[in-house]
Amino acid sequence: ILNVEQSPQSLHVQEGDSTNFTCSFPSSNFYALHWYRWETAKSPEALFVMTLNGDEKKKGRISATLNTKEGYSYLYIKGSQPEDSATYLCASLGHRGSTLGRLYFGRGTQLTVWP
Amino acid sequence: DAGVTQSPTHLIKTRGQQVTLRCSPKSGHDTVSWYQQALGQGPQFIFQYYEEEERQRGNFPDRFSGHQFPNYSSELNVNALLLGDSALYLCASSLKSRRGVYYEQYFGPGTRLTVT
Repeated sequence: ILNVEQSPQSLHVQEGDSTNFTCSFPSSNFYALHWYRWETAKSPEALFVMTLNGDEKKKGRISATLNTKEGYSYLYIKGSQPEDSATYLCASLGHRGSTLGRLYFGRGTQLTVWP
Repeated sequence: DAGVTQSPTHLIKTRGQQVTLRCSPKSGHDTVSWYQQALGQGPQFIFQYYEEEERQRGNFPDRFSGHQFPNYSSELNVNALLLGDSALYLCASSLKSRRGVYYEQYFGPGTRLTVT
């Protein structure tokens, strides 16, 4: 079992604030980390797939970094907007034996951006 | 491209009943995985289907079973429903690579099951 933790559980920020949250995962046997953005009543939307230590990926105002040696990833949102309000999920991808192809999710960080 | 679709959107059942949930994968995808999200938890892996066979299974009892059809669509069946089966059931599709491509999974909006 790959134990994935996310913090904080929830976050409330004002429009224009920048914010970040953390995903922790076992560093041994790491293969890939997925970030998803999930708005209420919609499908989780894939943001990033990260594989290499030191990876940094960016999509608009959202970026993510990866440290596979210490087992964490940060997601940053610059200049938060109300439409960024969503739950952000990270998941570690299993790649061996009984874990192959399985995503192990954290509980998510629920972000609310106030206008 | 309609993406991953699931039906029904919501379902209410009583304890002991049986339920079938359906999933159509994204066009071009051949692998379907099912996840259960209970309140306050992250999605938990139930099982994965590829080439009409169950390839991986999470820690769920045999009451949970599935099927994949030749067109890659899939069903999740749950027998003898318990109150604890109330959850959001998510379907995810991907394209399986033998060379280790990173199994990017696309999710449907889920089916909300309530067991009373």
